[in-house]
Amino acid sequence: DSGVTQTPKHLITATGQRVTLRCSPRSGDLSVYWYQQSLDQGLQFLIQYYNGEERAKGNILERFSAQQFPDLHSELNLSSLELGDSALYFCASSLGASSYEQYFGPGTRLTVT
Amino acid sequence: GESVGLHLPTLSVQEGDNSIINCAYSNSASDYFIWYKQESGKGPQFIIDIRSNMDKRQGQRVTVLLNKTVKHLSLQIAATQPGDSAVYFCAENMHSGYSTLTFGKGTMLLVSP
Repeated sequence: DSGVTQTPKHLITATGQRVTLRCSPRSGDLSVYWYQQSLDQGLQFLIQYYNGEERAKGNILERFSAQQFPDLHSELNLSSLELGDSALYFCASSLGASSYEQYFGPGTRLTVT
Repeated sequence: GESVGLHLPTLSVQEGDNSIINCAYSNSASDYFIWYKQESGKGPQFIIDIRSNMDKRQGQRVTVLLNKTVKHLSLQIAATQPGDSAVYFCAENMHSGYSTLTFGKGTMLLVSP
């Protein structure tokens, strides 16, 4: 158990809908990262927050957004969902802003029908 | 469990054999590399890391080798066990000063008893 928690574990929704994925980092970690894992694209970095502020941005679509709250939990919002958004979404956390060792949560499986 | 990829390179070994998993990385300027293990239905788990100023690093039953000349990384697992069966990813830090990671496509390791 990495200490990172994610909810929900599974999510099934229809195209055009909006969902929110939630992540709680390990105790003491200030950075949260979001990754998307799909069969064709592999594991791709989406965005990083550090202590409430956006730190780095990767291949995140404009339909997606994230935030980190004062208690350090983070939410990833996915809107106008398309079939191609079906994937595993992982959250990871690390101690600092530039800490390489990231601990991953169990993931949320999103299925868009 | 959930599959993370249908077209991953696969390495099949017998229990007790040594395994070598290879990875070609992208950026000659990357300064940090990590190997992750992902079991079916779980998030990636940190195995071992190495900085670009090193050629070799050893952990418990695992060794990572870095060849910067040809941008090649390998993970050696000694006395492979059935519990080592998983998908293994190499990841590189391509942006100095930031902790974002770029992941390779992964290799599936299958260990037969």
